[in-house]
Amino acid sequence: AQSVTQPDIHITVSEGASLELRCNYSYGATPYLFWYVQSPGQGLQLLLKYFSGDTLVQGIKGFEAEFKRSQSSFNLRKPSVHWSDAAEYFCAVGFNMEYGNKLVFGAGTILRVKS
Amino acid sequence: DTGVSQDPRHKITKRGQNVTFRCDPISEHNRLYWYRQTLGQGPEFLTYFQNEAQLEKSRLLSDRFSAERPKGSFSTLEIQRTEQGDSAMYLCASSLFRAGPQETQYFGPGTRLLVL
Repeated sequence: AQSVTQPDIHITVSEGASLELRCNYSYGATPYLFWYVQSPGQGLQLLLKYFSGDTLVQGIKGFEAEFKRSQSSFNLRKPSVHWSDAAEYFCAVGFNMEYGNKLVFGAGTILRVKS
Repeated sequence: DTGVSQDPRHKITKRGQNVTFRCDPISEHNRLYWYRQTLGQGPEFLTYFQNEAQLEKSRLLSDRFSAERPKGSFSTLEIQRTEQGDSAMYLCASSLFRAGPQETQYFGPGTRLLVL
């Protein structure tokens, strides 16, 4: 069955430091991968997505992610974190149903930024 | 920019009452999804519509839940005889589907339900 694992429940980084959030997926077919960010009490905002092609994808707010098929991973990175990046981050895989596509999400990683 | 909107944003109800949530998708998006998110978890798929047709339902969607999308525009999600276990954030997403599996879903702000 399809699943997404985000091994880190919480991560704390200093402002200005680099960030990497881990995501591993289990899916038998070609994965379509997404990262979303959620601020407290809010909906999800799309950061970036991977469908095909270049395995390093750029997103909004200076985020990037790299798809590694051999490791079944899609880790999110940012070279320099800002205090406004504090939020919860969700990795998701697009799963093809009979008549459409649903997203299967990981449990999320809460990012705290210390000044 | 009119994104996905949801109403109400918050709802407190007593156990056994019925509640209805509304979602307005991005204009011209033909697919609309409902997800449920409980505390500390990622969203879980409930159901989805292509235009006005409800094409998929999760086993999470008990018979107390019903969703509609009349005329293929806005959608409503109704929960009858609410239970405390229904307390969650209900998220709506929409997408413009043309062909193939590549599809991007855009989410609304969610409706947070608390059942007392």
